[in-house]
Amino acid sequence: DTGVSQDPRHKITKRGQNVTFRCDPISEHNRLYWYRQTLGQGPEFLTYFQNEAQLEKSRLLSDRFSAERPKGSFSTLEIQRTEQGDSAMYLCASSPERNTDTQYFGPGTRLTVL
Amino acid sequence: SQQGEEDPQALSIQEGENATMNCSYKTSINNLQWYRQNSGRGLVHLILIRSNEREKHSGRLRVTLDTSKKSSSLLITASRAADTASYFCATDGEYGNKLVFGAGTILRVKS
Repeated sequence: DTGVSQDPRHKITKRGQNVTFRCDPISEHNRLYWYRQTLGQGPEFLTYFQNEAQLEKSRLLSDRFSAERPKGSFSTLEIQRTEQGDSAMYLCASSPERNTDTQYFGPGTRLTVL
Repeated sequence: SQQGEEDPQALSIQEGENATMNCSYKTSINNLQWYRQNSGRGLVHLILIRSNEREKHSGRLRVTLDTSKKSSSLLITASRAADTASYFCATDGEYGNKLVFGAGTILRVKS
């Protein structure tokens, strides 16, 4: 069990650029979640997948954001036309089908938009 | 939106002392969890307490839950410098499909 991994760990981009983050969940975890955390706050839910199906999206997920999990394994989160307000830590978590109560978090991707 | 609030926002204690953090939430829940986050890193699950439980222990951690007051507390006994971190409570969302976090308590344990 290697844990949830995220790539990259840090991303600096200029306003208006597109960025894509990747999350690899724990093997055989069928649920995958994305959260966003700004400085001094707790994580806020963005979206979650059960296998390849995206079952819920937060209102925080504007139309500039898109998430995919094409084969039910890794997931990508893309932000188009980044804005300075998108600067945050993007956290991915996964949970197994037999116990969805506990989510296991990755180390996060810290995005800085200049 | 944040589900609830942690209290205090920040706590500074000496190594060996106990640390108590409180969490309040707004809606009915199935369970409440506590997570730890070291500076700039991901969250580590500490303990989960279900709505029909009142107290739970895990090592140096003790969690209580009062559903009538919609509040929980996390007690860390005999604190260590390595306990320095942010601590968040999280409740399950309406359908248990997401976690709703508070703003966290920053704990600093001085050696």
